[in-house]
Amino acid sequence: AQSVTQLDSHVSVSEGTPVLLRCNYSSSYSPSLFWYVQHPNKGLQLLLKYTSAATLVKGINGFEAEFKKSETSFHLTKPSAHMSDAAEYFCVVSPMNTGFQKLVFGTGTRLLVSP
Amino acid sequence: EPEVTQTPSHQVTQMGQEVILRCVPISNHLYFYWYRQILGQKVEFLVSFYNNEISEKSEIFDDQFSVERPDGSNFTLKIRSTKLEDSAMYFCASTIASGSNQPQHFGDGTRLSIL
Repeated sequence: AQSVTQLDSHVSVSEGTPVLLRCNYSSSYSPSLFWYVQHPNKGLQLLLKYTSAATLVKGINGFEAEFKKSETSFHLTKPSAHMSDAAEYFCVVSPMNTGFQKLVFGTGTRLLVSP
Repeated sequence: EPEVTQTPSHQVTQMGQEVILRCVPISNHLYFYWYRQILGQKVEFLVSFYNNEISEKSEIFDDQFSVERPDGSNFTLKIRSTKLEDSAMYFCASTIASGSNQPQHFGDGTRLSIL
């Protein structure tokens, strides 16, 4: 079975400082991994995806994530937080062996950005 | 950019009543999904749909739930006799093709409140 663990329910940073949101995955197969963001009262927006190409993946809004198979991790980072980054972030896994995606979500990390 | 649209944004229904949640996927997408998020919990997969058939469903998706694509554009989720525990945010998603590396595009969700 596939699963993801988001290690922090809340992360607080100051504007202009780096962001690190942690995610560990478990998968019997080589997975596809995604990060989605959810702003208040909005849907889930794709930030970036890893699908077995480059292990360092760049996404929108300056976010990036690095796939580390040895650590089964896919942490999300951004060099400098902006107030507009405050949102809920979900790490998501989809096993590569299935044609139809059944996305498995982590519990989410709420990012708080203070001035 | 094309979007998945969901209506209504908020639905309030008496327990035991039927409810239909509507989604218009992105026009050239062929694979459709419903997920739900109970307040404070993970986003959970409900069902995937392709070629007018359910391709996979979770154990949450019992006989009270059904999906259909009645007219080639709408994709609906029906709950036949709602229960209090059906209160949740329901998200529709679509992808253009199969394969776990295809990102799902989500709507803004319908908040379902059962009284």
